Amino acid sequence: AQTVTQSQPEMSVQEAETVTLSCTYDTSESNYYLFWYKQPPSRQMILVIRQEAYKQQNATENRFSVNFQKAAKSFSLKISDSQLGDTAMYFCAFMKRGGSNYKLTFGKGTLLTVNP
Amino acid sequence: GAVVSQHPSRVICKSGTSVKIECRSLDFQATTMFWYRQFPKQSLMLMATSNEGSKATYEQGVEKDKFLINHASLTLSTLTVTSAHPEDSSFYICSAPPGLAWGDTQYFGPGTRLTVL
Repeated sequence: AQTVTQSQPEMSVQEAETVTLSCTYDTSESNYYLFWYKQPPSRQMILVIRQEAYKQQNATENRFSVNFQKAAKSFSLKISDSQLGDTAMYFCAFMKRGGSNYKLTFGKGTLLTVNP
Repeated sequence: GAVVSQHPSRVICKSGTSVKIECRSLDFQATTMFWYRQFPKQSLMLMATSNEGSKATYEQGVEKDKFLINHASLTLSTLTVTSAHPEDSSFYICSAPPGLAWGDTQYFGPGTRLTVL
C-alpha cells in the first residue's frame, strides 16, 4: 500500500513571495504519478500539477513547479509570486500508473494562507 | 479540462430519510467513478469505487447498506445515503478519470454538503 505524508499542516506566505510545500511518499511501485491538488474555500478540487515518475524533468505550470526526488521519494511544490487566490488547502496525491485502477492516495493536506 | 458535475450542491434533510446525490461526467465517458467523504479541514477519504454495470467496491469500514452506489450509465453514478443520521452530515465529493487521452488523472465534482437534522 502507498502512503503520502504532508508534514506541514499550515503555512503562510506574504503576497508576491515564494513558498514551498513538502510531500513525501512511500511505495514499492516503479511506475506512478504524483499530483498536487488545490482546494480553495469553495471546496472544488483543482489539479495544480502532475508528475510522471519515469520523467526526470520536474513539472512546471506557470508559477507552480515541483522538485521531484524519486530516490528520496520526495515531491515538493514551489509556488512563486504568491497571490491571494492561492490561499487554499493543498493536497499531495499518488496514483499507480497503468491498468484501470486510477485510485488516488492523498496526504492530509497543507493549509496555505497568502497574506496581503 | 474534463468536467464533472454533482447535484445537489447542498441538501438538508431530517434524520431517517434517504438522500440521493448524483455525479455526472459531462464531456467524457466514465466507466469508473469514485466517491469521497470529507470532514472540515481534513483530507478526502475514499468511500467506494463505482463501476459501470457492476457492483461498487467499498473501502474497509464503509457500510454498504448505508451508502448505496449505482453506476447506471457511462456518465452517471449516484450515491444514496439511506436512513441518514446526523453523523452522516459531511461533504461528499465524486471524481472520475477520463482516461489516458485526458492526462490520466481524476477530475472532481464540486461536492455536495449534506446536513442531517
